[in-house]
Formats: sequence, structure tokens, C-alpha cells
Amino acid sequence: ETGVTQSPTHLIKTRGQQVTLRCSSQSGHNTVSWYQQALGQGPQFIFQYYREEENGRGNFPPRFSGLQFPNYSSELNVNALELDDSALYLCASKGPVTDNEQFFGPGTRLTVL
Amino acid sequence: KQEVTQIPAALSVPEGENLVLNCSFTDSAIYNLQWFRQDPGKGLTSLLLIQSSQREQTSGRLNASLDKSSGRSTLYIAASQPGDSATYLCAVSRSARQLTFGSGTQLTVLP
Repeated sequence: ETGVTQSPTHLIKTRGQQVTLRCSSQSGHNTVSWYQQALGQGPQFIFQYYREEENGRGNFPPRFSGLQFPNYSSELNVNALELDDSALYLCASKGPVTDNEQFFGPGTRLTVL
Repeated sequence: KQEVTQIPAALSVPEGENLVLNCSFTDSAIYNLQWFRQDPGKGLTSLLLIQSSQREQTSGRLNASLDKSSGRSTLYIAASQPGDSATYLCAVSRSARQLTFGSGTQLTVLP
């Protein structure tokens, strides 16, 4: 069974730029969630995708957007990057069972200069 | 709005000790609670999942309990080892969508 993978591992951008982060969900999982984790804090929910549709969103502005593809992989796009967007971005997937156990990837470390 | 608090923020213990990490949440209408481990700069590893109808779950040296009515969960680690050093996060879920996390307890087990 393949776990959740994310790319790239690290990324450095400048303020105002746009970034795309990628996630491949665990085999058999059809739901993907994205979280932002600032240094020293717990992860904060950005949004969730189920069968290619956004299925819930946290308190993040519209410049945070996402996509889910037919193979259930996903992208997180952030436009007009701000310094405060510097964080670890985590992707989590879960399967069709009802227990809601979520499995996380290794994350992408984004630094905005 | 659900808030999750973890106390203490940091804990240092000698190897071999048994220890308890605490998690409290403000809204008892949860779907389940999950404990995670995070190594520095890494992703989250799921340790234990407790459904709202359950009181505890065990995996090896780990035991997690849930008291939904009081809004509390504990993670008990028996016979701690230096390899247990990491940040431990608890998260609650009200629906099948988002997890709400605490800020974690940073555990150091000294050889």
C-alpha cells in the first residue's frame, strides 16, 4: 500500500508570486484535505476535496484554491503570496470508510521571502 | 468554535518513565479524536483513533482514553524510550471533514 506523497519537499518563493503544491493520496482514498502548519503551532484546516469537488473550507482567503483529479491526487494553489504564508503544508487522505482516520504526507515546507 | 488545548507544551523525562499527555476540547459533540506524532520538520504519523462511542484505544506501549462529556483525552506512554522524543498532537473531528488540532506537546526522553 502506497502512503501519501507530496511534492516538492521544499520551496522558496518571493512575496506576490504564485505557488502550486502537489499531493498523491494513499491508494484507495478518495478524500484529500490540506492543512497549513506554522512553526510551533498545530495544523490549520484549509479545505477538503471529495470526488473532485470542494467539500468544506476553513478560514482561509480565496487566494488559496485547490483541485482534485480523477485519480484523487490533488493540488493546492496559493496566489499573491504573503510572508505569513511561510509554513509547512500538509496533505491528508482518507478512504471511503466511515471512521474518518486521516493519513498525512511528509509535507511541503514553503518559505516566502 | 472548537478549541483544543494540550498541556504541557513541553515535557522532559528520563528513559523508562511512564508518562501522560493531556488534551482538552471545548465542544463535546465530536465524531472522533486522533493522536498523532510529529518528528521535527516532518509530517504527522497517526498513533491512535478513538471513536466518540469508545472510551480507549491501545497500541503497543500507547494507550489513549477519551472522556467526551468532560472534553478530555489522555495519551499514556509506558516505559518511555529516547525514540519516543517528538511532538504529540491531538485532533478532534466534528464531522467527516476537518480536524481541529491542539498546539502539541513536545516530548524529550533523556537517555
